[in-house]
Amino acid sequence: GESVGLHLPTLSVQEGDNSIINCAYSNSASDYFIWYKQESGKGPQFIIDIRSNMDKRQGQRVTVLLNKTVKHLSLQIAATQPGDSAVYFCAENRGTYKYIFGTGTRLKVLA
Amino acid sequence: GAVVSQHPSWVICKSGTSVKIECRSLDFQATTMFWYRQFPKQSLMLMATSNEGSKATYEQGVEKDKFLINHASLTLSTLTVTSAHPEDSSFYICSAAPRADTQYFGPGTRLTVL
Repeated sequence: GESVGLHLPTLSVQEGDNSIINCAYSNSASDYFIWYKQESGKGPQFIIDIRSNMDKRQGQRVTVLLNKTVKHLSLQIAATQPGDSAVYFCAENRGTYKYIFGTGTRLKVLA
Repeated sequence: GAVVSQHPSWVICKSGTSVKIECRSLDFQATTMFWYRQFPKQSLMLMATSNEGSKATYEQGVEKDKFLINHASLTLSTLTVTSAHPEDSSFYICSAAPRADTQYFGPGTRLTVL
């Protein structure tokens, strides 16, 4: 069936360290991927996206890597800060309006 | 830009009553809006796709008579939870899509049914 899953439900990192959040997807037809951050009691907030014709895309303190061979997506956060504590979701899109969301990873930043 | 609002942000109601949640795109038009449901510590589950001027498309397992969706304009979609029961308590999130590969999410509505 269709699925976008995550390897780790909870990730704890020390403040200042780098964080890596992983996501596996199952449909090779997906051509657009998005990472969202969701803080408690709020809606998802767009972080970064990547299209299937790219392997890597960088933003401010964040990098998304796409490995189409193994259908794997990762979000790297540099110099993790307390404000980065949230749940992170990956989502895939296949050129339609519908997104499929992964299960989510909670990132805890330790002081 | 690209702001989506939801109203109310939280609501508490008695079992058996109906609750309407509004989703508005404030600075753009969206032919398509989506309604998601999210249980605690879980991911977003797509409930239905709302298309302006036509009937909503519901995902498998979502009761269309219980979750009424109206998309009367390019900036407003409403979700009405009819005859709400405690198991309908959840966090409801909408998103608005100005184009196929872009969705902007609202802040969510916390529904508690007593």
